[in-house]
Amino acid sequence: QQPVQSPQAVILREGEDAVINCSSSKALYSVHWYRQKHGEAPVFLMILLKGGEQKGHDKISASFNEKKQQSSLYLTASQLSYSGTYFCGTVFTQGGSEKLVFGKGTKLTVNP
Amino acid sequence: SQTIHQWPATLVQPVGSPLSLECTVEGTSNPNLYWYRQAAGRGLQLLFYSVGIGQISSEVPQNLSASRPQDRQFILSSKKLLLSDSGFYLCAWSQGRVQETQYFGPGTRLLVL
Repeated sequence: QQPVQSPQAVILREGEDAVINCSSSKALYSVHWYRQKHGEAPVFLMILLKGGEQKGHDKISASFNEKKQQSSLYLTASQLSYSGTYFCGTVFTQGGSEKLVFGKGTKLTVNP
Repeated sequence: SQTIHQWPATLVQPVGSPLSLECTVEGTSNPNLYWYRQAAGRGLQLLFYSVGIGQISSEVPQNLSASRPQDRQFILSSKKLLLSDSGFYLCAWSQGRVQETQYFGPGTRLLVL
């Protein structure tokens, strides 16, 4: 049930773009994206609730392809502050209860 | 506005000792509460979640337990810590369903020696 993130790690120079993918073997009803800086708690970026939905946050945006059961996070013109580990979370229904399950994360390093 | 607190921030405990981590939320009522553990360099593992006072669901069998004595208080406990209990413990809250955004507290870094 854990979503699969790719790549596991990416290194960029400031100003470059990156795409982080999140896919699931089960039907997706929503996708949550978080960023965690080293030693800190994860911070919410955005949530996508509908297939085809796209959202943006500064120069970070995401799309949700319900049919393909995947979501992608786009980081445009990356800044040093974008460095961190990005997690996607997907909601599954099991035993009548809903659970948010996170992927293993993608470590993004932005260098000057 | 809502805020979430966790303490202590850092804890070093010997193997076999008890544990009590506390999490409180302010500015909301009847939140869903969650405990996660993150091992060094790893992802987020859900340990427990609670939809109300006294209602605890356990996700992973282990020597940890959770309690919710008050609406906005969530406690993680252990009677005897293991080396494998070391990690970064995060409390989170959401309003309503799991589909809603979860907001994380600052975390407690636990080292068991």
